[in-house]
Amino acid sequence: DTEVTQTPKHLVMGMTNKKSLKCEQHMGHRAMYWYKQKAKKPPELMFVYSYEKLSINESVPSRFSPECPNSSLLNLHLHALQPEDSALYLCASSQDQAGRSYEQYFGPGTRLTVT
Amino acid sequence: ELKVEQNPLFLSMQEGKNYTIYCNYSTTSDRLYWYRQDPGKSLESLFVLLSNGAVKQEGRLMASLDTKARLSTLHITAAVHDLSATYFCAVDRWGSRLTFGEGTQLTVNP
Repeated sequence: DTEVTQTPKHLVMGMTNKKSLKCEQHMGHRAMYWYKQKAKKPPELMFVYSYEKLSINESVPSRFSPECPNSSLLNLHLHALQPEDSALYLCASSQDQAGRSYEQYFGPGTRLTVT
Repeated sequence: ELKVEQNPLFLSMQEGKNYTIYCNYSTTSDRLYWYRQDPGKSLESLFVLLSNGAVKQEGRLMASLDTKARLSTLHITAAVHDLSATYFCAVDRWGSRLTFGEGTQLTVNP
């Protein structure tokens, strides 16, 4: 299985809602990533988990809260978002992260709209 | 701070023609990636270039890496409509922290 899956595919939420994005991989990868991509722009790294521990937070606002319950799952909890947070949220995984680099495999993304 | 510059940002070309997309980066890195993205879709990995002088080819696309010049190229040979997409290069900072170029939006016209 060489696939990263993400649910839901589309999400519309109000600014007072709480929702979660889910990402799953079964490739035995030990590093998982969240990226945010605005229209016509490149992906921007948000968080990196390595061996289920948060290793990188790229100064992301606290209304985004990542969670890695186990080595196969990565969640992104959303609360009190702003309309400018509307974007495509991409999850990726790689074999490892610390010390050297491995190719990242991207999921299909969740299209988030904040109203 | 690592900067990655792609050019051109927009490329409109006719079917059957050849063209090259350039990716320059500002600091030392020996690992560079090329991705393709169709509208509304995720990133599809095209090439992983791991060392100076690396050249990889897949179909009508060929990518190369010159780490001394801090330059990678993506060459398109005899373009077809199916190649229309946005192409990103991405450079490794450290520990799998990718910095992406702005992307090249390619349109191949019949």
